[in-house]
Amino acid sequence: NAGVTQTPKFQVLKTGQSMTLQCAQDMNHEYMSWYRQDPGMGLRLIHYSVGAGITDQGEVPNGYNVSRSTTEDFPLRLLSAAPSQTSVYFCASRQGTRSPLHFGNGTRLTVT
Amino acid sequence: GQQLNQSPQSMFIQEGEDVSMNCTSSSIFNTWLWYKQDPGEGPVLLIALYKAGELTSNGRLTAQFGITRKDSFLNISASIPSDVGIYFCAGLVGGSEKLVFGKGTKLTVNP
Repeated sequence: NAGVTQTPKFQVLKTGQSMTLQCAQDMNHEYMSWYRQDPGMGLRLIHYSVGAGITDQGEVPNGYNVSRSTTEDFPLRLLSAAPSQTSVYFCASRQGTRSPLHFGNGTRLTVT
Repeated sequence: GQQLNQSPQSMFIQEGEDVSMNCTSSSIFNTWLWYKQDPGEGPVLLIALYKAGELTSNGRLTAQFGITRKDSFLNISASIPSDVGIYFCAGLVGGSEKLVFGKGTKLTVNP
């Protein structure tokens, strides 16, 4: 039981490049979400999903796309990376509303 | 949207001292969670609170869900060096799937 797995751990992009941050969980959790963490800003919700085929925007969705074709996977796509997207990205999942979030170990993204 | 005000932003204490941090909001929350984050890792849940007035302990950690449902505090007793890290409060509004996080309290413990 690996929990929440994020890949890659580190990534450097040039402005305008695209990439997908991968997130997979093996706990059969319905709810999955993406957060970004910036110094002094805490964790801010980008997008979330309450089940396969259902996604919704969080607090800071601009510049990011998501899809949820399976229960296990919730990839985050940057279509045209910008320096403002330099951050640490965390994927998290939980079973139900009253269940706590389980976090992955993060992807550190630098956009130059 | 809902915002959580977490304080203090940082704390520098001596080993053995007690620590207290809190989160307040102008919004009412149905769930309060406290997480700890070590460098290079994701946050890990410490304590979950689901009812106003609830007081819950986890070893040397104690957290309370404020009676107004707009605040929560976390206490750490007899701190040790491994308590170093960033502590986050998080709240969930009833009927919402969005967990809102405070900006964190960075704790440094001097041996």
